[in-house]
Amino acid sequence: KNQVEQSPQSLIILEGKNCTLQCNYTVSPFSNLRWYKQDTGRGPVSLTIMTFSENTKSNGRYTATLDADTKQSSLHITASQLSDSASYICVVRDMDSNYQLIWGAGTKLIIKP
Amino acid sequence: NAGVTQTPKFRILKIGQSMTLQCTQDMNHNYMYWYRQDPGMGLKLIYYSVGAGITDKGEVPNGYNVSRSTTEDFPLRLELAAPSQTSVYFCASSRDDGQGLISYEQYFGPGTRLTVT
Repeated sequence: KNQVEQSPQSLIILEGKNCTLQCNYTVSPFSNLRWYKQDTGRGPVSLTIMTFSENTKSNGRYTATLDADTKQSSLHITASQLSDSASYICVVRDMDSNYQLIWGAGTKLIIKP
Repeated sequence: NAGVTQTPKFRILKIGQSMTLQCTQDMNHNYMYWYRQDPGMGLKLIYYSVGAGITDKGEVPNGYNVSRSTTEDFPLRLELAAPSQTSVYFCASSRDDGQGLISYEQYFGPGTRLTVT
């Protein structure tokens, strides 16, 4: 069964610090991998979309990396801000099952002042 | 632009009741989607539509129905509500969801929190 697993489940860091969130997937073949940010009580908002041939993509202080050989992706957040407190969700697009999106459960990130 | 709007924001239903969750987008997107999000789980696709008059089942369609009479609106109907349908429901839209290397991002509404008791 195609799966997307994220770690850690939750993370608390101090404002200004960096952090890295992990995403492991079994979806194969896949066409692209996405990272979304979801604030509490809101819908997800897209951060990055990477095709299988891309290794890294940045969006401001967010940098996503992808290793298609090991089926791993990471989202690195630099100089964290209080507004970064949210859930971060990894999503993989499955080419075999009608291009369905497989959603991870997310990592809940809390930034403390 | 308002983006994707959903109503209501909250609703409590009794078992066996029915209701319609409304979703409207003003971005002229062809593709629209309904997801449910349960605690600690990834989003699950209920139904999706590739354009007015065209709908298709997602991963978890049982107990739900949809229609797409216009580009803007994509209501989700719950018939005979059950406790298992307690969840947060999100509507989303996107441009043509290219079935290739390039895909367009999905824009989400604020969600409807539904409790069935």
